[in-house]
Amino acid sequence: EVQLLESGGGLVQPGGSLRLSCAASGFTFSTYAMSWVRQAPGKGLEWVSVISGSGGSTHYADSVKGRFTISRDNSKNTLYLQMNSLTAEDTAVYHCAKGEDAYRLYDAFDIWGQGTMVIVSS
Amino acid sequence: QLVLTQSPSASASLGASVKLTCTLSSGHSSYAIAWHQQQPQKGPRYLMKLNTDGSHSKGDGIPDRFSGSSSGAERYLTISSLQSEDEADYYCQTWGTGFNWVFGGGTKLTVL
Repeated sequence: EVQLLESGGGLVQPGGSLRLSCAASGFTFSTYAMSWVRQAPGKGLEWVSVISGSGGSTHYADSVKGRFTISRDNSKNTLYLQMNSLTAEDTAVYHCAKGEDAYRLYDAFDIWGQGTMVIVSS
Repeated sequence: QLVLTQSPSASASLGASVKLTCTLSSGHSSYAIAWHQQQPQKGPRYLMKLNTDGSHSKGDGIPDRFSGSSSGAERYLTISSLQSEDEADYYCQTWGTGFNWVFGGGTKLTVL
């Protein structure tokens, strides 16, 4: 069964840092682009970042550029999101999502994780 | 700037059909989209990819009650024989170089 399981969320003070993880199973992880998508409380979905299957290409939403870093360890089938200089506006559930077709960066997301909650508050 | 526009809410009766709309902004009518369902307190679930010509490919296990169609800049999700578990938020999504990924604001579907 194809599955994504996020972890690492929690309560962090403004200006703080947090690293999220997404453990993947059931597919050849290294051949698929992976993204992070967040959802603020009561709001819609917002794409955050993407990384290609090899890890050689990354892109970020303007709202997180320079503060967040996406990475992956294909030997561990795990995706990461390092979040620095956090503000209250970063409070959200963070979902990881899998690109639909192998070896394609830009595509629909066909598998989603349940998400991990990040709360930025003093 | 590519924008996807969805009505904030929709409602239909149990057993009836409903058609949700996602509108691509001017100049972007050739883009494919995807539809996702998010039930309360759950992660999103991929329903289908919908192409400009109306052809679509559905995610694994998505019932035949869910179908998609296109007309110009509009992309539709039709749900027939509505069931209580169809009550959810529905998001459209598109992607491409220059704007990366964009989501519509979502439609909250109420099953009466």
